[in-house]
Amino acid sequence: DTEVTQTPKHLVMGMTNKKSLKCEQHMGHRAMYWYKQKAKKPPELMFVYSYEKLSINESVPSRFSPECPNSSLLNLHLHALQPEDSALYLCASSQAGQGGNYGYTFGSGTRLTVV
Amino acid sequence: AQSVSQHNHHVILSEAASLELGCNYSYGGTVNLFWYVQYPGQHLQLLLKYFSGDPLVKGIKGFEAEFIKSKFSFNLRKPSVQWSDTAEYFCAVILDSNYQLIWGAGTKLIIKP
Repeated sequence: DTEVTQTPKHLVMGMTNKKSLKCEQHMGHRAMYWYKQKAKKPPELMFVYSYEKLSINESVPSRFSPECPNSSLLNLHLHALQPEDSALYLCASSQAGQGGNYGYTFGSGTRLTVV
Repeated sequence: AQSVSQHNHHVILSEAASLELGCNYSYGGTVNLFWYVQYPGQHLQLLLKYFSGDPLVKGIKGFEAEFIKSKFSFNLRKPSVQWSDTAEYFCAVILDSNYQLIWGAGTKLIIKP
């Protein structure tokens, strides 16, 4: 299995809703990432988990809450989002500490719309 | 601060034309270099990567890139493009085998049939 699987593929949520995005990989990668991508822009790093511990939080608002329950799963919990949070949310994984040596594998993303 | 520059934001070519997309980075240390492609409505796919060794790297779908250390460049090339190459192309760099990908702004490539 050489894929990163993200669910759901599309999500529409109201500003008072609570929802979660899920990401799963079975490549034995111990580093996992959440990125946010706006249209026609490169991805922006949000969070990095290394060996199931949060190692980088790029000053992301607290309405985004990441969770890494085990080495294969990564969640992003969403609460009280704003319309400007609408974007494509990408999950990626890599060998831990070796993102440069092996590169990343990206999931297909969740297209989030906040109404 | 370290950065990645993609000089052309939009490129329009006819089918069978040759392609070269520029990518320059600003960092004097060890770098790992990537080109990613994002087809309309799809996810990011790795086209090719350079870590060490032969500076001419061949990737998928007939793409290649050349790492020129003296010019801090990693330009993407394809001898003859197809309509299906229409996509957004991103150059990215990892510094000193760190985690973080530093992205260029992207180049939107449109191939006219």
